[in-house]
Amino acid sequence: SQKIEQNSEALNIQEGKTATLTCNYTNYSPAYLQWYRQDPGRGPVFLLLIRENEKEKRKERLKVTFDTTLKQSLFHITASQPADSATYLCALRRDTGGFKTIFGAGTRLFVKA
Amino acid sequence: KAGVTQTPRYLIKTRGQQVTLSCSPISGHRSVSWYQQTPGQGLQFLFEYFSETQRNKGNFPGRFSGRQFSNSRSEMNVSTLELGDSALYLCASSLEVLGGGYTFGSGTRLTVV
Repeated sequence: SQKIEQNSEALNIQEGKTATLTCNYTNYSPAYLQWYRQDPGRGPVFLLLIRENEKEKRKERLKVTFDTTLKQSLFHITASQPADSATYLCALRRDTGGFKTIFGAGTRLFVKA
Repeated sequence: KAGVTQTPRYLIKTRGQQVTLSCSPISGHRSVSWYQQTPGQGLQFLFEYFSETQRNKGNFPGRFSGRQFSNSRSEMNVSTLELGDSALYLCASSLEVLGGGYTFGSGTRLTVV
């Protein structure tokens, strides 16, 4: 069955450093991959989308890479700030064979001042 | 513009009862998806609707059902509630264009006692 794995343990980093989160998947060939941020008690907020034919996408301090051979995406937050502390979710979608977006369990990020 | 609106925000029900949750998507969004989120399981896909048609359904028992109306508003229903149905139920809408992700509502927190 389709499976998405994200770092199950929380990631603790110092303010100003780069946070790198990992998303690995199996038994799936997504057309695109998305990253979301979720704060406690709130719905996820869309951050970035990267297509299967793209290697890298950037938005301000965020960078996403997508390696369809390794079946892995890396999500980077540069110059991290305490306000970046949240849970980050990756999600995969392919519209053929059924319309469904599947989510990873998320990685909690703590940025210390 | 108004975001995705879910009602009610909180709900307490007794085992065996049924519940209906409502979701109003962003104006112009015709795709609506529902997810169940629990601490141990993350976001689990329930259904996806587009123009009143259910395009896909997740691996949930038949007690979980949904529908979408002509104005894109959606409802989901859970009959014969069980304690394990306690969760945050999230609705998300999208414009169905590549490059954009879901916009989630704040969710309905359902507690079954």
